Amino acid sequence: ETGVTQTPRHLVMGMTNKKSLKCEQHLGHNAMYWYKQSAKKPLELMFVYNFKEQTENNSVPSRFSPECPNSSHLFLHLHTLQPEDSALYLCASSQALADPNEQFFGPGTRLTVL
Amino acid sequence: EDQVTQSPEALRLQEGESSSLNCSYTVSGLRGLFWYRQDPGKGPEFLFTLYSAGEEKEKERLKATLTKKESFLHITAPKPEDSATYLCAVQAAGNEKLTFGTGTRLTIIP
Repeated sequence: ETGVTQTPRHLVMGMTNKKSLKCEQHLGHNAMYWYKQSAKKPLELMFVYNFKEQTENNSVPSRFSPECPNSSHLFLHLHTLQPEDSALYLCASSQALADPNEQFFGPGTRLTVL
Repeated sequence: EDQVTQSPEALRLQEGESSSLNCSYTVSGLRGLFWYRQDPGKGPEFLFTLYSAGEEKEKERLKATLTKKESFLHITAPKPEDSATYLCAVQAAGNEKLTFGTGTRLTIIP
């Protein structure tokens, strides 16, 4: 595997389900990000981890719970989501504290909440 | 607050018809301006980083330029495989976060 991988690529879940999104980066980076992409909106930054420590929570509802066990893996745990949470969820990585901060993205998980 | 505005929202070109995409920005001290390409249902693919006004970078049929207020992505003699959404993002000095625009959806007609 190379670059940034995400699984699953597609996910359909009910409002009462619990699911998790997984991201893995093979670039030797130390910073990882979760973004939400909705139609006709700019990418919305959700969470930032630098060296496994969360450094940003961009006012994200608690039904989204991130986890970063090491610098290569990032999870997004989902529970009791709303239909408006349907979107493409993107994971990205970069060299921590790099300036400028060139970020590399995974293919995304297309989430549909019924 | 940092802002990025991309225009046009969508652009249709005939194959071989050159054009430019615009990214206007306001930022407190630019550290970097980034261009990405995004195909439908996929994640953004990194294209270029520009650091300072006057800088230019090229990759195949694409050339990115930068002034103090905007960046242009020039596409020369495009092919159908250049069809994608092109995203622009900026990073302010002292801030690791990127601010993205909404993108330009480019369609190249054979």
